[in-house]
Amino acid sequence: GAVVSQHPSRVICKSGTSVKIECRSLDFQATTMFWYRQFPKQSLMLMATSNEGSKATYEQGVEKDKFLINHASLTLSTLTVTSAHPEDSSFYICSATRDKATEAFFGQGTRLTVV
Amino acid sequence: AQSVTQLGSHVSVSEGALVLLRCNYSSSVPPYLFWYVQYPNQGLQLLLKYTSAATLVKGINGFEAEFKKSETSFHLTKPSAHMSDAAEYFCAVSEGSGNQFYFGTGTSLTVIP
Repeated sequence: GAVVSQHPSRVICKSGTSVKIECRSLDFQATTMFWYRQFPKQSLMLMATSNEGSKATYEQGVEKDKFLINHASLTLSTLTVTSAHPEDSSFYICSATRDKATEAFFGQGTRLTVV
Repeated sequence: AQSVTQLGSHVSVSEGALVLLRCNYSSSVPPYLFWYVQYPNQGLQLLLKYTSAATLVKGINGFEAEFKKSETSFHLTKPSAHMSDAAEYFCAVSEGSGNQFYFGTGTSLTVIP
């Protein structure tokens, strides 16, 4: 199968610091990776779409300078939450697709708590 | 533009009863449709998908869904609910390979012993 690993699964950071979340496709090359944010009891909200080697495409209302996305290789994308604030606390989920595949494979999510 | 509507944010069924979770979609192109399940503090697990082949799709854990173009629906069913089915379920639509997914708001399934 296709496995996507997200790390860390939980992180607590102080307000004003930055946090990096990694998303790796373990057994396939991910042509496209997506980053979602999920608030409690709500659906997934797409934040950005990234293709390897190019700049991420951000959804309307998502601050690209705050949520830095890097997709440096076909197996790794990172999301960095810069100068985190308590309102950034959320569940962040990545997903990846591979060439000619119709489905997306999801990481296990990262619970970010900013204190 | 694509969108997904899940009717009923909460569904409760008795153990052994039929599970029916509703999903309607809108799409300007032939859609690819998916059902995912999410357990607390975890990512999403694919239950089943429709990608223009058979309209009745069977998935894991005894779930199935039927694509009805005339009704723009893709409802998820399971004949007999199990306690382990209690989770959040998301319907999603995409335009195909490599394209982004649009998710419904989710349905929380509770199974009553």
